[in-house]
Amino acid sequence: AQSVTQPDIHITVSEGASLELRCNYSYGATPYLFWYVQSPGQGLQLLLKYFSGDTLVQGIKGFEAEFKRSQSSFNLRKPSVHWSDAAEYFCAVGAQGGSYIPTFGRGTSLIVHP
Amino acid sequence: DAGVIQSPRHEVTEMGQEVTLRCKPISGHNSLFWYRQTMMRGLELLIYFNNNVPIDDSGMPEDRFSAKMPNASFSTLKIQPSEPRDSAVYFCASSPRTEPNTGELFFGEGSRLTVL
Repeated sequence: AQSVTQPDIHITVSEGASLELRCNYSYGATPYLFWYVQSPGQGLQLLLKYFSGDTLVQGIKGFEAEFKRSQSSFNLRKPSVHWSDAAEYFCAVGAQGGSYIPTFGRGTSLIVHP
Repeated sequence: DAGVIQSPRHEVTEMGQEVTLRCKPISGHNSLFWYRQTMMRGLELLIYFNNNVPIDDSGMPEDRFSAKMPNASFSTLKIQPSEPRDSAVYFCASSPRTEPNTGELFFGEGSRLTVL
């Protein structure tokens, strides 16, 4: 079965600074990988996804993520954070060729200081 | 396009009462999921349906919880009787039919349940 670890419960950055949120997964083959964002009082919204091909994927709101098979990682990045990016971020992994139902990490709460 | 629609958005009830949460998935999506979110346990999958048929309900905490999907456009999650530990945000999500099935989910805004 697949699993996801988001090692950082909270991340605090200043507005305009760069951001990297970490995600490590466990799965024996090539996974499907997702990043979702949850704003306060809202449901989860898909930011970006990796299925195959180019390991650097672009998403909405200026986010990108890079799949690194050797490190079993799928870290989310943004070059310049805006105050509106403050939210909870979830990494999820699905199994190609197995159960496609995604497994979610516990989430990372992003706090943005002015 | 309408997204996943959940009702009610907020529910406050007393212990022992029956609670029914409702979900309308995105038209054309063939899979529907119910999740529960709490601070302690994060996001938990309760049950999912494929083409209106329950496929895996192993995440349903106990017999007090039941879910139905009578047709492709409607699902309910029922808790009877409710207990304070059921207090959480319940999310419904749907997923389109893709080949292969990648598990991309579209979430509703959630139903926040408080059991006193």
